[in-house]
Amino acid sequence: QQQVKQSPQSLIVQKGGISIINCAYENTAFDYFPWYQQFPGKGPALLIAIRPDVSEKKEGRFTISFNKSAKQFSLHIMDSQPGDSATYFCAASPPSNTGKLIFGQGTTLQVKP
Amino acid sequence: ETGVTQSPTHLIKTRGQQVTLRCSSQSGHNTVSWYQQALGQGPQFIFQYYREEENGRGNFPPRFSGLQFPNYSSELNVNALELDDSALYLCASSQGVNNSPLHFGNGTRLTVT
Repeated sequence: QQQVKQSPQSLIVQKGGISIINCAYENTAFDYFPWYQQFPGKGPALLIAIRPDVSEKKEGRFTISFNKSAKQFSLHIMDSQPGDSATYFCAASPPSNTGKLIFGQGTTLQVKP
Repeated sequence: ETGVTQSPTHLIKTRGQQVTLRCSSQSGHNTVSWYQQALGQGPQFIFQYYREEENGRGNFPPRFSGLQFPNYSSELNVNALELDDSALYLCASSQGVNNSPLHFGNGTRLTVT
C-alpha cells in the first residue's frame, strides 16, 4: 500500500515535443505529490508539487495533472528542450510529513535536438 | 542562501567497517531527512530528524543510525557495512516537518568492497 509506480522507465522526445510521465499510488492517505528532476552526479531538485485538493497545477512549461479517484498523477513537460534531459521522479508523502517521501522508480528522459 | 551540503562526496569502505556521513542543512531549515538511492532506483527514506530527535524511520535495520545537532546539521552512521549498502546517500532539509518541500544535497557515493 506504500508503493508509487512510475512509467515509462525511459522516454525519448524530439525538441519542442511534449513529455508525459505517469505515476500511480495506492495509499489514499497520501496528501502531497512532488516531482523531482535529477541530473547525473547531482541530488534531486524539486520541480513542482501538488496537493489532492486541486486537479492541475502549472509552473512554466511543467504541469501536474492529478486524478484523485484513479489515484494517478502525471507530469507534462511542454516544449521539451535538450536541457530537460534528466531522470524524473514522482513521489508521495503521508499526511503531515512532507519529509517522508515515497519515490517512484524514475523515468530517464532524453530530448533529441 | 546556502544549500544542503554533504561530505564526503565519495567514500570506499570494506565490508564490516563503519562509516559516518555528514550533512549541513540549508539555512533556516530545522529538519533533516536521509535517503538511500541505489543505482537506477528512486531514493528510499531512511529516517528523519527534527529538533534533534528521530521523527520517523523507513524500512532500514538498526545498524543505520543518526544524529542531529543543535545547529541542525546531521550525521548518518552505518555499522557492519554490507555490499548492498553501496549507494548514493542523500540528505535533504526542510523548514519543519509539514508544508515544506525537501531540498536535497548532492549526496555521498558510498562503495562497499
